[in-house]
Amino acid sequence: EAGVVQSPRYKIIEKKQPVAFWCNPISGHNTLYWYRQNLGQGPELLIRYENEEAVDDSQLPKDRFSAERLKGVDSTLKIQPAELGDSAVYLCASSWPGPSGGTDTQYFGPGTRLTVL
Amino acid sequence: QQQVKQSPQSLIVQKGGISIINCAYENTAFDYFPWYQQFPGKGPALLIAIRPDVSEKKEGRFTISFNKSAKQFSLHIMDSQPGDSATYFCAASIEYNQGGKLIFGQGTELSVKP
Repeated sequence: EAGVVQSPRYKIIEKKQPVAFWCNPISGHNTLYWYRQNLGQGPELLIRYENEEAVDDSQLPKDRFSAERLKGVDSTLKIQPAELGDSAVYLCASSWPGPSGGTDTQYFGPGTRLTVL
Repeated sequence: QQQVKQSPQSLIVQKGGISIINCAYENTAFDYFPWYQQFPGKGPALLIAIRPDVSEKKEGRFTISFNKSAKQFSLHIMDSQPGDSATYFCAASIEYNQGGKLIFGQGTELSVKP
């Protein structure tokens, strides 16, 4: 079974430029998460999707960040314009609802390492 | 109240020794406590998880000890091996009501010396 796929793996841009990250979750996983991991820190949730619906975007800086999951499968996270402080690893994860109705194990992709110069 | 505090920040253990990483939380509504292992250049991968209705869970060389009254939980790695060298994150979530939003600790960089 293929894992969570993310691209690109690395991205270097200058500040004020736009950037986009793509994620393909594990087949059949209807819950998709985007996390940001700053250097030396644990991941922090940016947004969670249940199928096409963004059910938790409270941590997404909406002035410059946007995300979409149009057909409930792939997802794209965009930053426009990027700032120096956006340098981090952006992780995508997916999961299948657990037997109790709650969320089962989250499977993470390898992440996209963004460097903003 | 949503924080999970993890210690130590880094840990060096000899091969065959026991690695112990500790986490503490404040929110008593947390009901799922996973540990993730992350190698450089990789995403975190679930190692072992526990729910608050048990005090200990063991899977191979990895054991979670959970103290509900103290709001603490810890990861024990027995017979530590160089291949265990990685960053370990504890996490907590309110699984059902919040859709499993994971709150991660700051991470512990473990180095196992041969």
